[in-house]
Amino acid sequence: AQSVTQPDIHITVSEGASLELRCNYSYGATPYLFWYVQSPGQGLQLLLKYFSGDTLVQGIKGFEAEFKRSQSSFNLRKPSVHWSDAAEYFCAVGAHSNSGYALNFGKGTSLLVTP
Amino acid sequence: NAGVTQTPKFRILKIGQSMTLQCTQDMNHNYMYWYRQDPGMGLKLIYYSVGAGITDKGEVPNGYNVSRSTTEDFPLRLELAAPSQTSVYFCASSYPERVVTDGYTFGSGTRLTVV
Repeated sequence: AQSVTQPDIHITVSEGASLELRCNYSYGATPYLFWYVQSPGQGLQLLLKYFSGDTLVQGIKGFEAEFKRSQSSFNLRKPSVHWSDAAEYFCAVGAHSNSGYALNFGKGTSLLVTP
Repeated sequence: NAGVTQTPKFRILKIGQSMTLQCTQDMNHNYMYWYRQDPGMGLKLIYYSVGAGITDKGEVPNGYNVSRSTTEDFPLRLELAAPSQTSVYFCASSYPERVVTDGYTFGSGTRLTVV
């Protein structure tokens, strides 16, 4: 079954520092991959997605992610973190079933930004 | 457009009570989903629907029921509330052909506490 693993439960970075959040997927074919962000008390907002083409994808809020098939990874990056980036980040992979299509989510990485 | 609307936003239930979490979308999406989110566990799929009259179980369906009589509405029913159902519930929707490219549109969530 298609699944994703986010190895880091919590990450703390200083404001202005670079950020990389890790995501590893398990899927036999080319996966459909997504990153979502959830601010405290809010729903989930799509940051970026990959399903084909250029392996470096750009998203909103200055985020980017790189698909690396050889490493089964889809890591999220940002060159300079802002205090407003503090949130929960979820990686997700698309999964087909006989009845349709759904996203499988990782357990999330909580980002804390320090002054 | 309102997008995906969930009601109520907060609810406290006593053990054994029942309730319905409402979800409605105005985007004419065929695909709709219910997830629960627990701390450190990410999002787990409860039920999903690929169209009016068609529903299917996800990863954690026990203790829940759904119906899909219209394209717009996808209510989630808890018949006998248990403390293990304390969680934040998210409804999401998508066009079938755009789940891959666009992912989901999420509602803002319902925070349910069972005491």
